[in-house]
Amino acid sequence: AQKITQTQPGMFVQEKEAVTLDCTYDTSDPSYGLFWYKQPSSGEMIFLIYQGSYDQQNATEGRYSLNFQKARKSANLVISASQLGDSAMYFCAMRELNTGNQFYFGTGTSLTVIP
Amino acid sequence: EPEVTQTPSHQVTQMGQEVILRCVPISNHLYFYWYRQILGQKVEFLVSFYNNEISEKSEIFDDQFSVERPDGSNFTLKIRSTKLEDSAMYFCASSAGQGTITDTQYFGPGTRLTVL
Repeated sequence: AQKITQTQPGMFVQEKEAVTLDCTYDTSDPSYGLFWYKQPSSGEMIFLIYQGSYDQQNATEGRYSLNFQKARKSANLVISASQLGDSAMYFCAMRELNTGNQFYFGTGTSLTVIP
Repeated sequence: EPEVTQTPSHQVTQMGQEVILRCVPISNHLYFYWYRQILGQKVEFLVSFYNNEISEKSEIFDDQFSVERPDGSNFTLKIRSTKLEDSAMYFCASSAGQGTITDTQYFGPGTRLTVL
């Protein structure tokens, strides 16, 4: 089974609107961390936001927030007030405390912001 | 802000040749990683390195791969005899290594390896 599932291969959003990128995960480890990365066309991977499995509040980081629904095993990224520079691939990743340090990545969502 | 750097940004090699990809992790980080991303696919874990030895490796990381920290700053990935299917973007990452689930991995800009 896939550890991380991103079901939206591509998304479009109007500039200044909000957009939600979906991520579901599969783990039996009670301790895990969820991460979102942005990959622009230049290729680098930029860390955006983190959510821990024991965190009571949804993580926020500027225009990025994470809609964490533990019972549903989902960790959706919300980008508010989209900007043209937000156009990129977005990857959800997970680290499980009891299975080592590796990150498991999803297949990514390509976001295009339309002027 | 400290960052992970990688050289070269693009490497072209002939099948069967050896390549060495270089990385300089963030200076106070303790864990180092290599991942690869075949074009259009997801990022895949190769290996993690801590305290001068491999701490984890995936099934992709077979005998043709090796890693080394030759000095206090560099971290290298060597592919001994490249194959066409090794063509990918290779990312180096590092983390502070707190051993907790909050241990964020910071990625370098990647090296695009093309095997002809």
